[in-house]
Amino acid sequence: GENVEQHPSTLSVQEGDSAVIKCTYSDSASNYFPWYKQELGKGPQLIIDIRSNVGEKKDQRIAVTLNKTAKHFSLHITETQPEDSAVYFCAASSSGTSGTYKYIFGTGTRLKVLA
Amino acid sequence: GAGVSQSPSNKVTEKGKDVELRCDPISGHTALYWYRQSLGQGLEFLIYFQGNSAPDKSGLPSDRFSAERTGGSVSTLTIQRTQQEDSAVYLCASSLRRPADTQYFGPGTRLTVL
Repeated sequence: GENVEQHPSTLSVQEGDSAVIKCTYSDSASNYFPWYKQELGKGPQLIIDIRSNVGEKKDQRIAVTLNKTAKHFSLHITETQPEDSAVYFCAASSSGTSGTYKYIFGTGTRLKVLA
Repeated sequence: GAGVSQSPSNKVTEKGKDVELRCDPISGHTALYWYRQSLGQGLEFLIYFQGNSAPDKSGLPSDRFSAERTGGSVSTLTIQRTQQEDSAVYLCASSLRRPADTQYFGPGTRLTVL
């Protein structure tokens, strides 16, 4: 079945450095790619998303890039801060046939920003 | 406005008992989702409700799992005859109309089956 692979599973960076998390998806019908940040004891929160008709999107220190041909998308965080430490999840979504729905999450990346 | 709320926040039960988990979505959101998150794992889709349409149950792991959504608002996820492998955090999310709309997650219910 369809899946989303996410790498790396853990990432440690020095404060101020950049962090990059990559996801690869298998369902060519996927057309919506959100990224979520999950802090300890909380539900995931959407931080940025991108749709299949766009190649890149930026929001302050966060950017997402999408390569539909290669079926991969990446999250880029610049000038990392300690409060960026969390688990980050990517997801790929498509509308299936007969009203079914597919929204598949990656396995998560635990980001640690070292002060 | 209020976000997605879930209750209880924690539930400890004995193997073989039934449990009910509740989700209150954001007012006006017609789409509601349940996910399961095992320790250190990603989110596993369980079930999706959209308005008055029949729910997409394709993610439910067994017939011990069921969910209802009454009046297009509050949803209850029921697990019958709980097993230890059911221990996880159960997350609920809602979105305005469809899966490609932003999904807003609740804080989750941590279920522990002894």
